[in-house]
Amino acid sequence: EAQVTQNPRYLITVTGKKLTVTCSQNMNHEYMSWYRQDPGLGLRQIYYSMNVEVTDKGDVPEGYKVSRKEKRNFPLILESPSPNQTSLYFCASSSDRGEGANVLTFGAGSRLTVL
Amino acid sequence: AQTVTQSQPEMSVQEAETVTLSCTYDTSESDYYLFWYKQPPSRQMILVIRQEAYKQQNATENRFSVNFQKAAKSFSLKISDSQLGDAAMYFCAYRRDMNSGYSTLTFGKGTMLLVSP
Repeated sequence: EAQVTQNPRYLITVTGKKLTVTCSQNMNHEYMSWYRQDPGLGLRQIYYSMNVEVTDKGDVPEGYKVSRKEKRNFPLILESPSPNQTSLYFCASSSDRGEGANVLTFGAGSRLTVL
Repeated sequence: AQTVTQSQPEMSVQEAETVTLSCTYDTSESDYYLFWYKQPPSRQMILVIRQEAYKQQNATENRFSVNFQKAAKSFSLKISDSQLGDAAMYFCAYRRDMNSGYSTLTFGKGTMLLVSP
């Protein structure tokens, strides 16, 4: 089954304790992206990647890092989490050409709480 | 920068009735895609319908249809014969055509749809 898999789905952590949210897709997609969702703000893009070793900032990148060492994986790293990073996070992917280029497939979401 | 505006934070509809959710967007591009995503309580993002800007015909998917007015930059979603399972947050989203180069998916802030029996 074609899918985007995120882990963990739920996490409660404390301020300053580094954490990584993993994202993996099995569709050989070039494009991958991270979004955060907050009440009243919709979804906002954190980082995106056009391909292996190619990443760039989205609209709200502060406090986050990403890496794209393999095509299928795009982890989101919070080096020193703070309470304002408490949010629902989504990973998404798409092809970068052709008919499927414009349709994102989303993961199930990761609910992160930073105390 | 592209913006997407959903002016209705919340809408209500009775089962079997029809409801329309509004969305407007701002862009200077000519080639782009518009989407409606549904987010039920499970939080999963589910694609409901999409519209290619170059197509004049409005997209339909079963009970879901859109009214795409390119000149007015309007993209409303009509849900016919509403069902209890339609209750969810609905997001309108815009994306410039990826075949023209990189583009991000820009979301509106969402409309919560309540469905009553």
